[in-house]
Order: sequence, then structure tokens, then C-alpha cells
Amino acid sequence: AQRVTQPEKLLSVFKGAPVELKCNYSYSGSPELFWYVQYSRQRLQLLLRHISRESIKGFTADLNKGETSFHLKKPFAQEEDSAMYYCALSGPSTSGTYKYIFGTGTRLKVLA
Amino acid sequence: NAGVTQTPKFQVLKTGQSMTLQCAQDMNHEYMSWYRQDPGMGLRLIHYSVGAGITDQGEVPNGYNVSRSTTEDFPLRLLSAAPSQTSVYFCASSAGLAGHEQFFGPGTRLTVL
Repeated sequence: AQRVTQPEKLLSVFKGAPVELKCNYSYSGSPELFWYVQYSRQRLQLLLRHISRESIKGFTADLNKGETSFHLKKPFAQEEDSAMYYCALSGPSTSGTYKYIFGTGTRLKVLA
Repeated sequence: NAGVTQTPKFQVLKTGQSMTLQCAQDMNHEYMSWYRQDPGMGLRLIHYSVGAGITDQGEVPNGYNVSRSTTEDFPLRLLSAAPSQTSVYFCASSAGLAGHEQFFGPGTRLTVL
């Protein structure tokens, strides 16, 4: 089955501590992976995608095809990182169209 | 550009009422979709469209209808509202699906009593 799993509903860390938001996927093929973020009272927006191999707001994510994971990491959390984070994948479906699948989300709380 | 706009922002309905959630985008995107966001469930795809005149069901289509008469607009209709449809609804658009960023609207918070 095609699925994106985010095992943690809530992750609380202290300011300055490292952060890792986990994302595992199940997909037959080569999907493209994304992280989206939703700050309080704002709309969902793209944070980063694996094909860009970029660092946004200090966050990075490496696609590990062997472990089918795309964990989001930041070495030093900031209070403004507190938000809801969604992992997502895009890839062809069995019907020939493309699918976009979101995980259930992880709420990150960065404590002062 | 306004991006993706949604109206209304908030709505309260009684069970059995019908209504239409509006969504429009001014980026000439072919792909548009509707999601509902529920605690612990993440974003679930309701319906999507790959272009004007073409729509298809997502993961949770029951109780909802869509149409796509123009590239810009993608309204979502609740036929007979039920309390289980209390949720936050997001519309999104993208230039495509394969590796493309989805642009989201601000959401509509719907409560069905």
C-alpha cells in the first residue's frame, strides 16, 4: 500500500536542542518527497523537497531509499520552528495518474 | 497574484443543509484538489482535478461533489451536511503533480451541528 507514516504526533524539544521529525514511506517506485509546514494561523507551505537538496530555515532532509525514510532535521531548534509539519510524497499511481499523499503530521513544540 | 483563495473562512451548518465551498486560483494551474484536515488524521484528499472538465475521487469522496468548469475555479459541494464533515477544508493547486509544489488556500473551518 502507498503510505506516508509520521510516527510522532507531538514532539517537544528545548530551544537550541537538535530536532528530528521522522517520516517513512511505502511506495512501489521512485516517489518524490516533500516536507510542508503550517505555522499558527498560516496556510500550509512547502518547506523543502528532496530533489532540491537544499537547506531551508536550517532544516535539511535526506532521502534514504534503503530505509524508505525522509527524516527532517535541524541541529539547533528555535522557538519560531514551532509548527505542524507534514511529510508528503508524489508519484505515479496504478491508474496512470499521479498521487500526492500526505502523512498525518507532527506538531513540533520548541520550549524556551 | 492572490494565489489560492477560499471562501468562506468559517461556516456553521445544521445537519442536512447543503453548501458550496469556493476555491479559486490565479496561477493558471492545471491541478487542483480539496483536502480535509482532522486531528490525528492529517490531510486526506477528497477530490481532485487535473484540468477543466476533469475530476476524480480521492481518499474520502463520499458526501462531496466537485466540478471544474474553468481552470481557475474548483468548488466543493456538501450535498447533505453531517456532523462527521466537521473539519477544516483546504484547497490546493499546482502546475502538475510530478514533483510540483502544492499551493494551499487559507482554509475553511466548517462546523456541522
